[in-house]
Amino acid sequence: NAGVTQTPKFRVLKTGQSMTLLCAQDMNHEYMYWYRQDPGMGLRLIHYSVGEGTTAKGEVPDGYNVSRLKKQNFLLGLESAAPSQTSVYFCATRRLNNEQFFGPGTRLTVL
Amino acid sequence: KNQVEQSPQSLIILEGKNCTLQCNYTVSPFSNLRWYKQDTGRGPVSLTIMTFSENTKSNGRYTATLDADTKQSSLHITASQLSDSASYICVVSAQAGTALIFGKGTTLSVSS
Repeated sequence: NAGVTQTPKFRVLKTGQSMTLLCAQDMNHEYMYWYRQDPGMGLRLIHYSVGEGTTAKGEVPDGYNVSRLKKQNFLLGLESAAPSQTSVYFCATRRLNNEQFFGPGTRLTVL
Repeated sequence: KNQVEQSPQSLIILEGKNCTLQCNYTVSPFSNLRWYKQDTGRGPVSLTIMTFSENTKSNGRYTATLDADTKQSSLHITASQLSDSASYICVVSAQAGTALIFGKGTTLSVSS
């Protein structure tokens, strides 16, 4: 079992470019999350999903969109990247007992 | 407002020494509290979970305590090893909700 995987691992974008981060899980968990982690800020929730076809905004959703077309995949999109979106992005799933399983992260730099 | 505060922000200790990390929360109603370990360049991994009725739980050299009355938790690391160098994150779940409230973490450095 791979658990939670994220692609890509690293990416450099220019301001205004777009990209999609892919999160895939093989644990059959209903809940999936996208976080960003910045120095001194801790993990902040961007968007989350409680099941296939559903998404909801988190703490810092502006500038991001998400989709959950299949239960095992959760996509995070940046339509027009800004330097403020330079961060490490983590995807996570959640068990019913609230234990979260995190992916390895995607390090994104926007120039 | 639901908040989780961790202290200290960072800590440096010698290999073999013990240390204690603190977590204070204002989350209500409380469901459970988890401690995660995050190695550099990797995602967080769950160490322990504490529910309202539990006071102490151990996972090897890691021992977590919970005082639900004062809304405080601690993570005690015994006989530290170089591999304990990481960020430790306290996460509190509110009851019957999807919200998980994260602390900003304590960065522990263990030196030889």
